[in-house]
Amino acid sequence: DAGVTQSPTHLIKTRGQQVTLRCSPKSGHDTVSWYQQALGQGPQFIFQYYEEEERQRGNFPDRFSGHQFPNYSSELNVNALLLGDSALYLCASSLFFLARETQYFGPGTRLLVL
Amino acid sequence: KNQVEQSPQSLIILEGKNCTLQCNYTVSPFSNLRWYKQDTGRGPVSLTIMTFSENTKSNGRYTATLDADTKQSSLHITASQLSDSASYICVVSASGTDKLIFGTGTRLQVFP
Repeated sequence: DAGVTQSPTHLIKTRGQQVTLRCSPKSGHDTVSWYQQALGQGPQFIFQYYEEEERQRGNFPDRFSGHQFPNYSSELNVNALLLGDSALYLCASSLFFLARETQYFGPGTRLLVL
Repeated sequence: KNQVEQSPQSLIILEGKNCTLQCNYTVSPFSNLRWYKQDTGRGPVSLTIMTFSENTKSNGRYTATLDADTKQSSLHITASQLSDSASYICVVSASGTDKLIFGTGTRLQVFP
């Protein structure tokens, strides 16, 4: 049983570019949440997807958008990259109706913006 | 404002010693509290999860306590090992929402 997987593991972009990060949830999970973790900080909630819709959103600008596919996998898109977007991007999967009890994190994608 | 604060920010101990990490929260209404271990550059891994009615939970050498009255939690690590070197993050969930509120973590380094 595969856990949460994310790709790519590392990514380097330049300011102004666009990036797409991918996440496959743990088998049996239907909900995907995305987090941004700056160096030395705790993860910050970006948004959550369930039934292919954005259900909740944190305090992130519209440059951050996402998508969930019928197979529950998800993408995080960031447009017009800024230096401050450099961070570890974590994906967590859960069961929607048990989200408070189940949250499994992926290994993360480390994004560096130059 | 819902917040989670952890102390100390960093900690260095010798292998075999015990240590205790602290977490204070102002999240209300409270649903549950979790402790995660996060190795550098990796995703967090859950150690324990406690609801309002639980005041202690163990996972091997890790023991978490919860005092819902004072809104405090601690994570005690017994007989530390080099592999315990990581960041330990306290996470609180509020009732009525699935958002997790993360502390900034305690960075633990275990030296031989």
